[in-house]
Amino acid sequence: DIQMTQSPSSLSASVGDRVTITCRASQGIRDYLAWYQQKPGKVPKLLIYASSTLQSGVPSRFSGSGSGTDFTLTISSLQPEDVATYYCQKYNSAPLTFGGGTKVEIK
Amino acid sequence: QVQLVESGGGVVQPGRSLRLSCEASGFTFRSHGMHWVRQAPGKGLEWVALIWHDGGDKNYADSVKGRFTISRDNSKNTLYLQMNSLRAEDTAVYYCARDLSWNSYYFDYWGQGTLVTISS
Repeated sequence: DIQMTQSPSSLSASVGDRVTITCRASQGIRDYLAWYQQKPGKVPKLLIYASSTLQSGVPSRFSGSGSGTDFTLTISSLQPEDVATYYCQKYNSAPLTFGGGTKVEIK
Repeated sequence: QVQLVESGGGVVQPGRSLRLSCEASGFTFRSHGMHWVRQAPGKGLEWVALIWHDGGDKNYADSVKGRFTISRDNSKNTLYLQMNSLRAEDTAVYYCARDLSWNSYYFDYWGQGTLVTISS
């Protein structure tokens, strides 16, 4: 089965900073990658699918890129409301797998 | 608006069974695949099972294969998860999640979750 590895597991950044989270697949998955945001005590929310397509209603400061095995989620200017844990998920085929998560905090 | 409401969680002893339900509204249920995803306390997300829009295909995580069964009743707009031979490591919040289409395999809406606790 394909494993998904996220890094870092946590980060602390200042408001306005550019934040980058990486996700690596153990085998190629083309662009079958989604990103989710889970705020504390809340349900996960779809941010990006097909590696780089922004879900409707998601702020444009979020962007995704990558193909094959290496992917990134970028927040261009970190805002206080972006405090959350972010998960990648591969969906080329079952079993569907999430990365371990990246917890983003404000410095 | 899309709503997914899970029920059926609770505290059960190891080895026992439990059935979760997820009632859907606000969209054409029979047109979408559905999934169960769980999250152990303080841990990350783990996909559990999927079912196609018509029930024609199902798939499971290795950790639950042979113990859990996903099913749906499109006439009742309801998704189910039958969980047998429960173990302590099955303790988690169980979310039902809607597939973007009948087999996109990612999730555009999530329910609020139902907590399952396995404890003697």
